[in-house]
Amino acid sequence: QKEVEQNSGPLSVPEGAIASLNCTYSDRGSQSFFWYRQYSGKSPELIMFIYSNGDKEDGRFTAQLNKASQYVSLLIRDSQPSDSATYLCAVNIGRDYKLSFGAGTTVTVRA
Amino acid sequence: GAVVSQHPSRVICKSGTSVKIECRSLDFQATTMFWYRQFPKQSLMLMATSNEGSKATYEQGVEKDKFLINHASLTLSTLTVTSAHPEDSSFYICSAGLGRHAFFGQGTRLTVV
Repeated sequence: QKEVEQNSGPLSVPEGAIASLNCTYSDRGSQSFFWYRQYSGKSPELIMFIYSNGDKEDGRFTAQLNKASQYVSLLIRDSQPSDSATYLCAVNIGRDYKLSFGAGTTVTVRA
Repeated sequence: GAVVSQHPSRVICKSGTSVKIECRSLDFQATTMFWYRQFPKQSLMLMATSNEGSKATYEQGVEKDKFLINHASLTLSTLTVTSAHPEDSSFYICSAGLGRHAFFGQGTRLTVV
């Protein structure tokens, strides 16, 4: 079983719409959850992190975490063409900065 | 955020040669750094954990004699791909942690011809 699974996409949304990305993880001991954005040919860029159950909002981004269901999601509101990228869900492994990544969901925002 | 610098950003080498990639934490010290590999249209896969002053820890299936890791100081880890072959062509990315977050270098695109 994969440690981190994401809805595979690709996901295409019109400009201004909400993009919804989902991720499940297998290790109940995971404590830290991250969303990274990766543009083609570039390194991942951290856009959101969440440690506690519930919602966390940062600008147009909202991360949601449900540890009981081992589920984490990312909502992108008012999607912009510049949001077009691959979004990687990552979960910490153990007690250090080692991360397990999902396969990524490619989002395309249509102008 | 914290800055992790990776060099070179792109390298082309001949099959059978070795290539060294550097990863530096520019404004903080890192006792551990991590090396990932990403093949086209795939996610990042952890290769190894680089430990300052001691041996690296490799993930299952990663050849430690092929991917040599040295972490000689608190700000520098190097990954050497020895006797590179075309199947080693990939995007190699390092990371280092600060606070509760991992920060990534710019990545190195390795092409073996």
